[in-house]
Amino acid sequence: AQRVTQPEKLLSVFKGAPVELKCNYSYSGSPELFWYVQYSRQRLQLLLRHISRESIKGFTADLNKGETSFHLKKPFAQEEDSAMYYCALIRRGNYGGSQGNLIFGKGTKLSVKP
Amino acid sequence: EPEVTQTPSHQVTQMGQEVILRCVPISNHLYFYWYRQILGQKVEFLVSFYNNEISEKSEIFDDQFSVERPDGSNFTLKIRSTKLEDSAMYFCASKPELSNNEQFFGPGTRLTVL
Repeated sequence: AQRVTQPEKLLSVFKGAPVELKCNYSYSGSPELFWYVQYSRQRLQLLLRHISRESIKGFTADLNKGETSFHLKKPFAQEEDSAMYYCALIRRGNYGGSQGNLIFGKGTKLSVKP
Repeated sequence: EPEVTQTPSHQVTQMGQEVILRCVPISNHLYFYWYRQILGQKVEFLVSFYNNEISEKSEIFDDQFSVERPDGSNFTLKIRSTKLEDSAMYFCASKPELSNNEQFFGPGTRLTVL
């Protein structure tokens, strides 16, 4: 079964501390992995995706196919990082694109304290 | 920057009533989606739509649900006879083309069924 697991419902850290939001997935095939973020009273927005291999707002995530993980990391958390973070995957088609739907994890609420 | 819009932001209805949730996807996007999130649970896929027809639907999307793109801009989700368990946040999303898997989300409509 296709599944995305985010084991932590809530993660609370102090400003300047490292943060790692865990994501594991179960999918037989070649998925594309994403992290979406939802700040308070705002819409879901893409934070980063594994195929772009870039750092956004200091966050990085590496796809580990052996461990089927896509953990989100940031070395020094900021208060403005406080938000809900959702890991998601999509089934990739033959040429990478997909009409398919996103499969989401339950989300982790990150709280960064001053 | 263009955004997906949704109306209304909050809809309260009586059980058994019909509701129509409206979405205006980003204008040059071709693929459209509805997701829902019951309070405290994960974001779940309902239906995808392309070229004026349903591409895929989940088991949640039963005969009580329908989608329509009545003109060049709106994308609607209709629930024919609402049940208490339909209370949720409903998100519309769109993406421009097959090769780009990033989906852009609307702010959501909170549906409350009494």
